[in-house]
Amino acid sequence: DGGITQSPKYLFRKEGQNVTLSCEQNLNHDAMYWYRQDPGQGLRLIYYSQIVNDFQKGDIAEGYSVSREKKESFPLTVTSAQKNPTAFYLCASSSRDEQYFGPGTRLTVT
Amino acid sequence: EDKVVQSPLSLVVHEGDTVTLNCSYEVTNFRSLLWYKQEKKAPTFLFMLTSSGIEKKSGRLSSILDKKELFSILNITATQTGDSAVYLCAVEDRDDKIIFGKGTRLHILP
Repeated sequence: DGGITQSPKYLFRKEGQNVTLSCEQNLNHDAMYWYRQDPGQGLRLIYYSQIVNDFQKGDIAEGYSVSREKKESFPLTVTSAQKNPTAFYLCASSSRDEQYFGPGTRLTVT
Repeated sequence: EDKVVQSPLSLVVHEGDTVTLNCSYEVTNFRSLLWYKQEKKAPTFLFMLTSSGIEKKSGRLSSILDKKELFSILNITATQTGDSAVYLCAVEDRDDKIIFGKGTRLHILP
């Protein structure tokens, strides 16, 4: 089965800790994305990557970091510098003809 | 600044009605427009539109793009309660960046 997996589904962290969210795809897609969803805001782009070893900042990259060492993987680190990290995080990947989303990770920071 | 605007923000209709959801955009280097349905968490892909005037159809859903006037519509005929969801419109540019609208929340009354 081809698809995108994100783990974990729910994540709880204390303020001040960095946390890394996993995103893996086996669709052979070149481009991968990280979005954040907050109530009433729609989806907002954090980072995206068009190819291995390359990535660009999206609209709300501050306090986040990413890496793209392999085509299949695009992990997102939420750093302690992110002021409001509690949110639902969605990973996606795309080819020329399609885009698919992962199931998401809900991060709660207290 | 690139933007995607959806209207209405919310809509309540009765089962069996036909609805039209709107999406207008301002994006440099447009490549495609995408429609998604979001019921609980991760959005599910509906359509990708790249050419003006060509209707895409899937069951009771259809969509069309007007690249001259910079908008798209999503039509749902003979609505059912299972169509209740948030419908997201997004535009992809030629650098693989994707911008989402805030969505239209559709509620179908039985």
